[in-house]
Amino acid sequence: DQQVKQNSPSLSVQEGRISILNCDYTNSMFDYFLWYKKYPAEGPTFLISISSIKDKNEDGRFTVFLNKSAKHLSLHIVPSQPGDSAVYFCAANRREYGNKLVFGAGTILRVKS
Amino acid sequence: ETGVTQTPRHLVMGMTNKKSLKCEQHLGHNAMYWYKQSAKKPLELMFVYNFKEQTENNSVPSRFSPECPNSSHLFLHLHTLQPEDSALYLCASSQSSGIAFFGQGTRLTVV
Repeated sequence: DQQVKQNSPSLSVQEGRISILNCDYTNSMFDYFLWYKKYPAEGPTFLISISSIKDKNEDGRFTVFLNKSAKHLSLHIVPSQPGDSAVYFCAANRREYGNKLVFGAGTILRVKS
Repeated sequence: ETGVTQTPRHLVMGMTNKKSLKCEQHLGHNAMYWYKQSAKKPLELMFVYNFKEQTENNSVPSRFSPECPNSSHLFLHLHTLQPEDSALYLCASSQSSGIAFFGQGTRLTVV
């Protein structure tokens, strides 16, 4: 039973446009959500996070939105750049249980120039 | 430089071999993790160590044996693996329940 789902295996976007990556979760006990980015032959790198007490967190070109009632979060990248092409993983955990991150399967983002 | 270093980067081993994966973190974190990423699957948490003590074993077969001699080092000892164990093995560290930082991974192939 997958508790964190990324239903789009891939996404293709034109340079300069907005990229929207989506993530759904089933466990209402999760209270902390993260996005990681992974290039081939490298480990995942942390991108941005959001606590369940917020509905939006912004860091430069990256914004994460959280809709708790829908158990849905999204990552917006604007403007998208070719260097953003990578696999993006959504992850969630309940912080009082430590850092047992539950990951989605990832979405491959391709930004075309 | 990620602060979390894994060796080797690539490993090919036979089913009767014994090998070890090594992870070292230079971030002063107190928690270390092993994750497994199989093809087209989510990252799966295998083991968690907090302050050198194992706090999580996510139903991992005994042919995988972790060792954490101190807060900076983590090993994964491999013994009589199966071809289906071929995957990317990722080490991560964090400060308690903070953000996890990953190493570059070891690509393991079992033949």
